Amino acid sequence: NAGVMQNPRHLVRRRGQEARLRCSPMKGHSHVYWYRQLPEEGLKFMVYLQKENIIDESGMPKERFSAEFPKEGPSILRIQQVVRGDSAAYFCASSTGVDQPQHFGDGTRLSIL
Amino acid sequence: EDQVTQSPEALRLQEGESSSLNCSYTVSGLRGLFWYRQDPGKGPEFLFTLYSAGEEKEKERLKATLTKKESFLHITAPKPEDSATYLCAVQAMDTGRRALTFGSGTRLQVQP
Repeated sequence: NAGVMQNPRHLVRRRGQEARLRCSPMKGHSHVYWYRQLPEEGLKFMVYLQKENIIDESGMPKERFSAEFPKEGPSILRIQQVVRGDSAAYFCASSTGVDQPQHFGDGTRLSIL
Repeated sequence: EDQVTQSPEALRLQEGESSSLNCSYTVSGLRGLFWYRQDPGKGPEFLFTLYSAGEEKEKERLKATLTKKESFLHITAPKPEDSATYLCAVQAMDTGRRALTFGSGTRLQVQP
């Protein structure tokens, strides 16, 4: 019974490049959430998606960041033209329904050179 | 704006020394309060959900309680393997909002 799978676990990018972070939810989970944890800060919500729909993106920066959860395949968090301030741990969570606990993956640690 | 404050920031206990972690919250209608455990380099691991004041949940040496303003995580006779950061989060009742608002956590260290 696999948990939430995120890859890659570590990603290094140079300023200006694109970063793609992938998340496969737990089996049977159709709700996906992305959170960011900056160094020495708590987890901050970014976006909530269901299959093919963005439900709440109130925590997502307006520029350079986008997310998708296609009908087939993993959810993708995409960061274009990365800057040093994007360095953080990005966590994905999934749940079976809106009132059910969110279960987290082990995150992708993004480092920007 | 939803807010979660956890105290203390860090706690060092001797093995077997019971204690409590505090989570104070402000939310516009509470849908649920969640406790997670996070080990270094790992994602948060779900522990409990509490929905209404007076509710209690237990799991091994951990017991979570909820009032209208705060939640406590009681740790009874802790062991070194209980060392971790414990996170508290709230989810608001607002329609469409499913985001969790997290506190900064309590770093617990249990010494043998």
